[in-house]
Amino acid sequence: KNQVEQSPQSLIILEGKNCTLQCNYTVSPFSNLRWYKQDTGRGPVSLTIMTFSENTKSNGRYTATLDADTKQSSLHITASQLSDSASYICVVSKAAGNKLTFGGGTRVLVKP
Amino acid sequence: DGGITQSPKYLFRKEGQNVTLSCEQNLNHDAMYWYRQDPGQGLRLIYYSQIVNDFQKGDIAEGYSVSREKKESFPLTVTSAQKNPTAFYLCASSMDWGGADTQYFGPGTRLTVL
Repeated sequence: KNQVEQSPQSLIILEGKNCTLQCNYTVSPFSNLRWYKQDTGRGPVSLTIMTFSENTKSNGRYTATLDADTKQSSLHITASQLSDSASYICVVSKAAGNKLTFGGGTRVLVKP
Repeated sequence: DGGITQSPKYLFRKEGQNVTLSCEQNLNHDAMYWYRQDPGQGLRLIYYSQIVNDFQKGDIAEGYSVSREKKESFPLTVTSAQKNPTAFYLCASSMDWGGADTQYFGPGTRLTVL
């Protein structure tokens, strides 16, 4: 069964600190992996996209990594800001059939 | 929100009623999607449309219906057959159907059954 599991479910960090979110998937055959940021009560916004051949991608203070062999990805947030408080969703695309599988998300709360 | 609008932002439905959620995009995208989001769960695909006048069932289509008469519009009707409709509904669009193109999401509609 194609699945995307994210951990932790939620975390609280102090402003200015770094954090790392994890995404493990079983989707096969793999096409690409995206990280989305979703503010409360809003639609998700794409942060990064990585294909099989890419193992790191940055977008400002957000850095995503991908290990296609172990089927793991991480999203690292550097020097967190209050505006980083949101849910972060990992989405994996299947090569055959173009189906997307969404993780349940990690809810991040940045405190001053 | 990438040129996609959804309305209303909040919607209340009485049991037995049908309600329609609006989704409009001005991105000239061919593909459009409807997702349902429940707390702690990943987004689940309700319906998708690859092109005007075409749409396909997603993973949880029962109790929902859609139409795609115009490229810009993809309304979702939640019928009385949907037994647990309270959720956050997200509309998305992409240049082409499938996982290769980034999907752009609307701001969502929160539906509550009274």
